[in-house]
Amino acid sequence: DAGVTQTPRHEVAEKGQTIILKCEPVSGHNDLFWYRQTKIQGLELLSYFRSKSLMEDGGAFKDRFKAEMLNSSFSTLKIQPTEPKDSAVYLCASSPPGQYEQYFGPGTRLTVL
Amino acid sequence: AQRVTQVQPTGSSQWGEEVTLDCSYETSEYFYRIFWYRQLFSGEMVFLIYQPSFDTQNQRSGRYSVVFQKSFKSISLVISASQPEDSGTYFCALSELIFGGYKLTFGTGTSLLVDP
Repeated sequence: DAGVTQTPRHEVAEKGQTIILKCEPVSGHNDLFWYRQTKIQGLELLSYFRSKSLMEDGGAFKDRFKAEMLNSSFSTLKIQPTEPKDSAVYLCASSPPGQYEQYFGPGTRLTVL
Repeated sequence: AQRVTQVQPTGSSQWGEEVTLDCSYETSEYFYRIFWYRQLFSGEMVFLIYQPSFDTQNQRSGRYSVVFQKSFKSISLVISASQPEDSGTYFCALSELIFGGYKLTFGTGTSLLVDP
């Protein structure tokens, strides 16, 4: 089975741009998570979907971050407008039904200039 | 509020040694799970093992095992016969039930270097 895939692997954006990160969960998994990882804050949950329904929309991130899951095999994370402080690694993870362990994608490293 | 603490920012060992990484946590939930992940230098996070709170037996998976001290709210990951390929950052994570699902709270990680 293919693991979680994320594209692009690297993204460089100018301040104020809109960027869209993509994630494909493992086939058959019904939980999908978006995280942001920085050295200072560590891993922070941005959004959580269960069976395509938004379960958690990380409070501090609601302003410029919007995650969507239009079908069970694809999710996007839009950051609009980007700011330099958004520079981080964005990780997507999925989890199978009835299980708690999460399987992570390789991440997208975002640099905002 | 949940909190996960990993007080060792770094660790090291020699090839073949046993390594212990510590984690403590705070939770008000009765049922919970604690997970260990390893982040490779590439950035990929790999699931290693988990311990359910309701299981008094320490879990084991291959060379990984845990020492679960529920009353102290602490859990240690033990890696037997460490190898250079075990180098990476190890994260402890605690599950929290939320309406209709769950989420994980991660510690800050322990960076391990295994010398050949």
